[in-house]
Parts: sequence; C-alpha cells; structure tokens
Amino acid sequence: DVKVTQSSRYLVKRTGEKVFLECVQDMDHENMFWYRQDPGLGLRLIYFSYDVKMKEKGDIPEGYSVSREKKERFSLILESASTNQTSMYLCASSLMTSSYEQYFGPGTRLTVT
Amino acid sequence: AQTVTQSQPEMSVQEAETVTLSCTYDTSESDYYLFWYKQPPSRQMILVIRQEAYKQQNATENRFSVNFQKAAKSFSLKISDSQLGDAAMYFCAYRSLLGSGTASKLTFGTGTRLQVTL
Repeated sequence: DVKVTQSSRYLVKRTGEKVFLECVQDMDHENMFWYRQDPGLGLRLIYFSYDVKMKEKGDIPEGYSVSREKKERFSLILESASTNQTSMYLCASSLMTSSYEQYFGPGTRLTVT
Repeated sequence: AQTVTQSQPEMSVQEAETVTLSCTYDTSESDYYLFWYKQPPSRQMILVIRQEAYKQQNATENRFSVNFQKAAKSFSLKISDSQLGDAAMYFCAYRSLLGSGTASKLTFGTGTRLQVTL
C-alpha cells in the first residue's frame, strides 16, 4: 500500500514564526503536491513538484515556499506565518504517468495565533 | 481554466438507501480524467472512483457508480445500499491530460458532506 505521512496532525504557531510542514511518501512517486483545504473552498493547490529540486507554483503560492531535496520528501515552508494561513494542509503524491491517482496524507491542521 | 462545481454542500441518506451526489465541470478539453474522492472524518482522503473522458461506459466500483454525461459536463456519483461508513466529505475532481507541471494537478469542487442515518 502507498503510504504518505505528514510530520504533524496538529500544529499551533504564532504569527511571524517560520513553519515547516513535512511530507514523506514511500512509493517512489515522481509527483508530490501540497494542497490547502478550507471549508467551502475545497482543496486548492499551493505547490507541486515533479522531480527532486523541481517545483511549480499552484493556484495560491503566495506566502509559501517548498523544498524537495530527496525524492520521497516534500516540505512546505511558511516563511512568516500569518493568521490567514490557519488551515488544513494536505500532501499528496502520484506517479508521473499511469493512473494519475493521487494518494493523500492524513493532513496537518495548522493554527496560527 | 477548468472549474468544478458541487452544488450540494450537504446531503443525507438513510442506511440501505441510494443517494446521488452531483458534480458539474467546465472545460474546453476533450480528454481528461474525473475522480470522486472520499474524506472520512479525521481520516485520509481516498479515491472512490475514476472516469476517463474517452470512455463512454460509466465507471462502477462495487456500490459506487457514476453517471458521466460528457456533453452536459456532468459527473454524478451514485451510492447504493448506503452504509454508516459512507458518511464523509465527497470531493469531485478534474485532471487535464494536457501539458505537464501543474497541468498534472487536480481541480477540486467544494465538496458535499454526506450524512448516513439509521
């Protein structure tokens, strides 16, 4: 079974702090994604990576950056957390081709106070 | 850009009954994938069913089936013999087959919360 894990289920940070959200997948997937989930808005793509050190902006990249130094790990960075970044963050991974199915992690609920 | 619309924020169904969740989308492309994902409370999102746009036959997975109407750009999910474990948030999603990079992304609807009652 594909496994996507995220470093924390719940996280509380203060405004202005630098925040790291980590995601690890164990199926050698090329693609990895970071989504933000908000009620009434569904899931929105923040950043996407299709290879090590490769990244592309999604729909809402402002205030975020990412890092992919190893194939299995994709980090989301909030350089200076703000209250409007309080949200559920979901990581996903997929193969480059084939079924295009994305496999999701359990999510990190981040609260910025 | 593609958009996905789920017009039912909440639905309720009695156990053992059938329920249909609606999804419409907007695209100018002819080839694409459509998905229904399920997100149970406090649990991971999982794929329920997938439909390739070039296939006319509606996809089926056990109690889950879709009604794919390409011309109408409609992709509804039917859950038969509903069970308590079907209670979840359901998301409809679109994936383009063109290009690369963020063209590989999924475009999600806003979700439908399904309640299953005894």
